[in-house]
Amino acid sequence: ILNVEQSPQSLHVQEGDSTNFTCSFPSSNFYALHWYRWETAKSPEALFVMTLNGDEKKKGRISATLNTKEGYSYLYIKGSQPEDSATYLCAFLNQAGTALIFGKGTTLSVSS
Amino acid sequence: GAGVSQTPSNKVTEKGKYVELRCDPISGHTALYWYRQSLGQGPEFLIYFQGTGAADDSGLPNDRFFAVRPEGSVSTLKIQRTERGDSAVYLCASSLRGQGSEQYFGPGTRLTVT
Repeated sequence: ILNVEQSPQSLHVQEGDSTNFTCSFPSSNFYALHWYRWETAKSPEALFVMTLNGDEKKKGRISATLNTKEGYSYLYIKGSQPEDSATYLCAFLNQAGTALIFGKGTTLSVSS
Repeated sequence: GAGVSQTPSNKVTEKGKYVELRCDPISGHTALYWYRQSLGQGPEFLIYFQGTGAADDSGLPNDRFFAVRPEGSVSTLKIQRTERGDSAVYLCASSLRGQGSEQYFGPGTRLTVT
């Protein structure tokens, strides 16, 4: 059974703080890892699709790294802003490429 | 361009009733996926369509759940004899080709079974 774990479950930071979350996934039969941001009442928004060991991707103040050999990915947010408040989901693509297996998410709250 | 849309946004139904949830994917996307998110959990895969056919329905929890995509575009998720445990947010996603290409999600339908 494929299991994707995310930590912490929730996080509360002050505006301007930098933060990071962890996603761990099965290291065997790796195909791709996806990160999404999901704000309440909106559609989950794709942040990154990561496929190569050692990959590092960046989008504005958000970046992510990937280690497929040990089965983890980190998401970093530099200088958090209130608009970064959301649930951040990571998902592991199954071997058939037909389904995303999601973690439970990390819910970030940023206070101004 | 338009993203993935889902209707209704909210649905409240009584236990035992039948419901249909609709998904309009991004135009030209051949792959369509249904997921559901129960309280405190991450989204859980239900079914994947490539064109008109269900290429992977291994996530459907039981035979009360059924989905169709007759013309390879709009999809309907059908739930018979609803139970309180079916209450969840039902998410639809589409992708250009499937098989690992990026999935774009709709806003979901929140189903509440009373």
